[in-house]
Amino acid sequence: QTVVTQEPSLTVSPGGTVTLTCASSTGTVTSGYYPNWFQQKPGQVPRALIYSTYNKHSWTPARFSGSLLGDKAALTLSGVQPEDEAEYYCLLYYSGAWVFGGGTKLTVL
Amino acid sequence: QITLKESGPTLVKPTQTLTLTCTFSGFSLSSSDERVGWIRQPPGKALEWLALIYWNDDKLYSPSLKSRLTITKDTSKNQVVLTMTNVDPVDTATYYCLHHSPIDYWGQGTLVTVSS
Repeated sequence: QTVVTQEPSLTVSPGGTVTLTCASSTGTVTSGYYPNWFQQKPGQVPRALIYSTYNKHSWTPARFSGSLLGDKAALTLSGVQPEDEAEYYCLLYYSGAWVFGGGTKLTVL
Repeated sequence: QITLKESGPTLVKPTQTLTLTCTFSGFSLSSSDERVGWIRQPPGKALEWLALIYWNDDKLYSPSLKSRLTITKDTSKNQVVLTMTNVDPVDTATYYCLHHSPIDYWGQGTLVTVSS
């Protein structure tokens, strides 16, 4: 059973920078896993932020960026805003299926 | 403008079969590289990817649920149907359909409760 692991929680100050990561139990995450990132606020439908490692949707704020960092996929928020407080999920592709991480609760404090 | 909407029962009894329909607009599943998928989220828990159907009728399923899931499409109606057999209370969740090419647009979700 493939497991995708994210930090359960992170805290960042307004205006700061934070990096969320996404690891695979199978080893190094590469572009071939097509990492996706989603944001979900309480009571809301998840919103797509990043696809295929670093590609942004038209609505993705410029302060969000995706990358590969070491052996993981990463989502970096630069100049964090209070409205960025949310749950963030990564999604990886394994031949034949996609798997979500458990999510990272980001607190802006 | 792409929109998707899920429909189906809100309450299902254990062991029954759940059938959910996704009706979409703004794209055609007969067009090359288009895909529609399903994701669910139990109350207070993480997202779980379920299934995906391609324009050419290829299908992908979550390995842990593969034996219970079937995804089909009706291109003429712009609909995708997800069937889950032998439901259990642990299948209680909000079920979302989404445009999966890449994942961008989501339906509003539909809460399905499995209870006797």
